[in-house]
Amino acid sequence: DTEVTQTPKHLVMGMTNKKSLKCEQHMGHRAMYWYKQKAKKPPELMFVYSYEKLSINESVPSRFSPECPNSSLLNLHLHALQPEDSALYLCASSQDIWSVGITEAFFGQGTRLTVV
Amino acid sequence: DAKTTQPNSMESNEEEPVHLPCNHSTISGTDYIHWYRQLPSQGPEYVIHGLTSNVNNRMASLAIAEDRKSSTLILHRATLRDAAVYYCILNAGGTSYGKLTFGQGTILTVHP
Repeated sequence: DTEVTQTPKHLVMGMTNKKSLKCEQHMGHRAMYWYKQKAKKPPELMFVYSYEKLSINESVPSRFSPECPNSSLLNLHLHALQPEDSALYLCASSQDIWSVGITEAFFGQGTRLTVV
Repeated sequence: DAKTTQPNSMESNEEEPVHLPCNHSTISGTDYIHWYRQLPSQGPEYVIHGLTSNVNNRMASLAIAEDRKSSTLILHRATLRDAAVYYCILNAGGTSYGKLTFGQGTILTVHP
């Protein structure tokens, strides 16, 4: 199984809502990533988890709160988002952060988020 | 971090070879060259990667210049399913551990 599964596929939320995005992989990977992709732009790295610990936070606003409860699961908790946060949120995994330069990363299909 | 430069867009005809260039003049000795592609409405998918030697796999070939300042992704026979955004990415360890940083990419259009 070489799949990264993201749920939900689409999400519409108000600016006062709290919601969560979920990402799951069963490849035994120990590195998991969140990316944000605006329309017609490349994916931008947000967070990196290594062995369930936050390794990289690319200065992401605190209204985005990542969580890695176990080695297979990655969540992104959303609270008080702005309309400009509307984007495709992509999850990825790789064997570990040290070998991502020499092995492939696997991406999910993303969650299309609309903030109204 | 070393940067990559790719043409904004390229066009090809179906069943013809496609050569997608990437310039990375500030590449360091430990940077691997990765290519990912993103089909419409999908997440990126790995295509190929290499360090110094040319590489082949079932999807594509990667030709790396001798000085490593440029590389070319080769699709031997383009199909309509190859229409995507192709990203050339440099990645190494050290302070870049865990960072797969995407550049602007090349939009490939394949004509029937």
